Amino acid sequence: GENVEQHPSTLSVQEGDSAVIKCTYSDSASNYFPWYKQELGKGPQLIIDIRSNVGEKKDQRIAVTLNKTAKHFSLHITETQPEDSAVYFCAAERALTFGSGTRLQVQP
Amino acid sequence: GAVVSQHPSWVICKSGTSVKIECRSLDFQATTMFWYRQFPKQSLMLMATSNEGSKATYEQGVEKDKFLINHASLTLSTLTVTSAHPEDSSFYICSAPRQGALNEQFFGPGTRLTVL
Repeated sequence: GENVEQHPSTLSVQEGDSAVIKCTYSDSASNYFPWYKQELGKGPQLIIDIRSNVGEKKDQRIAVTLNKTAKHFSLHITETQPEDSAVYFCAAERALTFGSGTRLQVQP
Repeated sequence: GAVVSQHPSWVICKSGTSVKIECRSLDFQATTMFWYRQFPKQSLMLMATSNEGSKATYEQGVEKDKFLINHASLTLSTLTVTSAHPEDSSFYICSAPRQGALNEQFFGPGTRLTVL
């Protein structure tokens, strides 16, 4: 089955800095890679996703890049704000295999 | 966007009792729903796939007789934790893909179960 690894497990940045979270996957047949933001005590919320026919997708301060050859994809958050503080999960395919999560703390 | 609700949002029960958690797709139909369990500071782990009108499929290591799933309609799936024990205490989350949404999952807000 699919195996998704996510790094780092925790990330602390200053407000306004950029944050990058990386994931690798094992199943080369996977074609859909979503990123979720989970706030304490809530369900995951989709923030951006990418399909294998593109290498990069951007939505305002959030971008995702995909390297299918290397089987890794990354989440980029620019101009971070305190409200970006949360746990972020990557996933492969229909979100059935999640990464281990990254706790992002944005220091004001 | 599509909305998925869960009820209750939290529940506390005594050991040995059964607890039912509902997952509803509010503005779309879902022939398939997914149930996850999340322990504190851990990732979501898929427990089972709920299929409308047929039996659920369970992931390896998940006891189907303990976690009963019923998907009686295109908008409702229920998870019943039978004879709950303290080790079943967890955050239970459901998700549903909207038809035509090309893999996109919509997650419920989760149900926190505490078994005393």
